Amino acid sequence: GAGVSQSPSNKVTEKGKDVELRCDPISGHTALYWYRQRLGQGLEFLIYFQGNSAPDKSGLPSDRFSAERTGESVSTLTIQRTQQEDSAVYLCASSPSNVQYFGPGTRLTVL
Amino acid sequence: DQQVKQNSPSLSVQEGRISILNCDYTNSMFDYFLWYKKYPAEGPTFLISISSIKDKNEDGRFTVFLNKSAKHLSLHIVPSQPGDSAVYFCAASADSNYKLTFGKGTLLTVNP
Repeated sequence: GAGVSQSPSNKVTEKGKDVELRCDPISGHTALYWYRQRLGQGLEFLIYFQGNSAPDKSGLPSDRFSAERTGESVSTLTIQRTQQEDSAVYLCASSPSNVQYFGPGTRLTVL
Repeated sequence: DQQVKQNSPSLSVQEGRISILNCDYTNSMFDYFLWYKKYPAEGPTFLISISSIKDKNEDGRFTVFLNKSAKHLSLHIVPSQPGDSAVYFCAASADSNYKLTFGKGTLLTVNP
């Protein structure tokens, strides 16, 4: 079956521009997560959606970062006024219960 | 402050031998631990997990050991195969699967 998909796979943008990253979770998975992996680092939790509950935004690094999810489907992560330190691979994962299934990630490069 | 530490950035092992990947954690509230494997340009793939009520979980060639008193877990792969070459991440959570905290990963290279 289809796994978690993310688009675009690569994004190069100029400092100061806004970017929007998309995640299509596995159908039926109620939980959705966004992580960030900077070069040479582990995965860093950003935000968590569970059903209709209020999202846990505690990992978002600044108010330039926001995310939305429509029901139990697509999620978008938006970064406003991008900075060079935002360059990273942004990973989305969805989960039905105990295991998180990851997408391939979006590599964001801010010039 | 890193709550999950993988102190070996890389490990090289001969095919057929055992690979042992180590992970230490500092948060005593962690009660669920997972290992993920990641190939280049792909997302991490779940390998094996263990709950804090156990000290060992085995799945084929992969076994995870948990030592709660030492706040240490390890992943054993035996026998190692060249296809096991990847980055291995240790992860932990304080509420089953919620909000995983990851280590920085260990690059395993299995030489033919």
